[in-house]
Amino acid sequence: NAGVTQTPKFRVLKTGQSMTLLCAQDMNHEYMYWYRQDPGMGLRLIHYSVGEGTTAKGEVPDGYNVSRLKKQNFLLGLESAAPSQTSVYFCASSYRSGSGGEQYFGPGTRLTVT
Amino acid sequence: KQEVTQIPAALSVPEGENLVLNCSFTDSAIYNLQWFRQDPGKGLTSLLLIQSSQREQTSGRLNASLDKSSGRSTLYIAASQPGDSATYLCAVLDSNYQLIWGAGTKLIIKP
Repeated sequence: NAGVTQTPKFRVLKTGQSMTLLCAQDMNHEYMYWYRQDPGMGLRLIHYSVGEGTTAKGEVPDGYNVSRLKKQNFLLGLESAAPSQTSVYFCASSYRSGSGGEQYFGPGTRLTVT
Repeated sequence: KQEVTQIPAALSVPEGENLVLNCSFTDSAIYNLQWFRQDPGKGLTSLLLIQSSQREQTSGRLNASLDKSSGRSTLYIAASQPGDSATYLCAVLDSNYQLIWGAGTKLIIKP
């Protein structure tokens, strides 16, 4: 099993450009999550999904969109990138939330917006 | 609103010492608490997960405890080694099924 994979690993964008980050998991997990991590702060939840075709907003959703067309994939889109979106983005997945919902993380995508 | 705090923000100790990292949370209504390790520029490695009904979990030289009523968890590292140098993060799965994170403790083990 590859676990959770993220594409790309690094990216530099100019302000106003758009891009899509891809997260894929091969563990048949129902739940998937997108987080961002900024220096000196804990991870913050951007969006999450509790199943194919469903998405929900997390703590910091503004400026991002997501889609979950297939159970194994969770896409994070930036329509018009801003310097404030410079961050490291982590994807995670879990079987379910609740008491047993251990989350498994991808290696991260380092995004710089100039 | 659940808040997670980790103290200290940074810690430097000589090799071989036993040490304790602290994590506190404001709302005791949690499903579980996880400790993670993060190396510079790298992803997250899950170390230990403690369910809300458990008091502690052990893995090798690591022992994590959970006192849900007081909103505290500790990560004990025995006989520290330079390879233990990393940032340690704790996170709680709250009543909204969301993982709330502390900012981490940066640990340096001096040879």
